[in-house]
Amino acid sequence: TQLLEQSPQFLSIQEGENLTVYCNSSSVFSSLQWYRQEPGEGPVLLVTVVTGGEVKKLKRLTFQFGDARKDSSLHITAAQPGDTGLYLCAGDNGYSDSWGKLQFGAGTQVVVTP
Amino acid sequence: NAGVTQTPKFRVLKTGQSMTLLCAQDMNHEYMYWYRQDPGMGLRLIHYSVGEGTTAKGEVPDGYNVSRLKKQNFLLGLESAAPSQTSVYFCASSPGQGFYEQYFGPGTRLTVT
Repeated sequence: TQLLEQSPQFLSIQEGENLTVYCNSSSVFSSLQWYRQEPGEGPVLLVTVVTGGEVKKLKRLTFQFGDARKDSSLHITAAQPGDTGLYLCAGDNGYSDSWGKLQFGAGTQVVVTP
Repeated sequence: NAGVTQTPKFRVLKTGQSMTLLCAQDMNHEYMYWYRQDPGMGLRLIHYSVGEGTTAKGEVPDGYNVSRLKKQNFLLGLESAAPSQTSVYFCASSPGQGFYEQYFGPGTRLTVT
């Protein structure tokens, strides 16, 4: 059972455009992380959000955790080819017997062309 | 620091063969994890360990066994490989659970024919 649904599955945009990736669930998460994975490599952490309504910025990337802690979004401003990758959200369902173990979404493949 | 390393990077097995994947981390992390990644499925937890000498089942443990005899190493075994185990396997480690960052290895691509 996929607890975290990511949309869209695939996104192809031109350099300089903006994009938003969504991560949704019916479950409440005590924390949520975003990772980026490049071909042939393991995922690398971008950010962790823990408070409902929290907004974090990492250069051109803006992350938001929903007020109810069931959803999150990643917005990239003026995308660059270096932003190309698979973006994964992962939640810690701290209110169940899955405490402490991350549940991953299926990912959004982002391709930014020059 | 090398971080998290995995051996081998690629492997092809015939159905019924066995093999062991080795994961090593040099960050003195207590927690280690084995995931598999399949297209459209994201990362799924196979087994994990909360410390030397301990292991526990994750979401998809059937057909796999693990051991953590030393804190820095976490081994994943396939006793009798099946085509359904064709996947990319990732090892990860973290200093804690939940909101702590997980550090991933580069992955092992396994094909079972």
